[in-house]
Amino acid sequence: QKEVEQDPGPLSVPEGAIVSLNCTYSNSAFQYFMWYRQYSRKGPELLMYTYSSGNKEDGRFTAQVDKSSKYISLFIRDSQPSDSATYLCAMKGGYQKVTFGTGTKLQVIP
Amino acid sequence: GAGVSQSPRYKVTKRGQDVTLRCDPISSHATLYWYQQALGQGPEFLTYFNYEAQPDKSGLPSDRFSAERPEGSISTLTIQRTEQRDSAMYRCASSRGTQETQYFGPGTRLLVL
Repeated sequence: QKEVEQDPGPLSVPEGAIVSLNCTYSNSAFQYFMWYRQYSRKGPELLMYTYSSGNKEDGRFTAQVDKSSKYISLFIRDSQPSDSATYLCAMKGGYQKVTFGTGTKLQVIP
Repeated sequence: GAGVSQSPRYKVTKRGQDVTLRCDPISSHATLYWYQQALGQGPEFLTYFNYEAQPDKSGLPSDRFSAERPEGSISTLTIQRTEQRDSAMYRCASSRGTQETQYFGPGTRLLVL
């Protein structure tokens, strides 16, 4: 079993929809939780960075962490075609190694 | 520099050859990471440097893989006696410190024939 599980998709939604992306994990030592966006042929870029449980909002993006359930989510409101990309969850403990999910491919259809 | 750069962007080699990949991090970034990313997968940690020190190389798949960062800036990842299973995208990332945001480079796509 992988430490981080993420549905690879693809996920197809109409423009303007609310998108929900999720990851589960098994390592209770994870304390820092991240979401990266990766466009085709590009490197991952950080979208959200949260520490421990709770919600964090940044514009149209909201990250949620539920450590008791070992479950994290990223919500995208009013999705745009430019949001079409692969979204990777990532997490780490107090050490430096970051563990990534496999990524969910999202397509927002105009 | 403005961002993390990597070279070459593409490398095709024959099985058994050695290859060296280069990463030029954002200037003044102390920490540098190497990842391997297979198609359709997330990046897999290989190793990281804090300046020239290499505290963790637990992700290196075998002793054919090695990395250096002798002056705490540019880093190289060397794969000796390449095998077809080494074919992947190799990504470098840098950050100001070990708990800071990682910025990824464009990657080097390696194909071993």
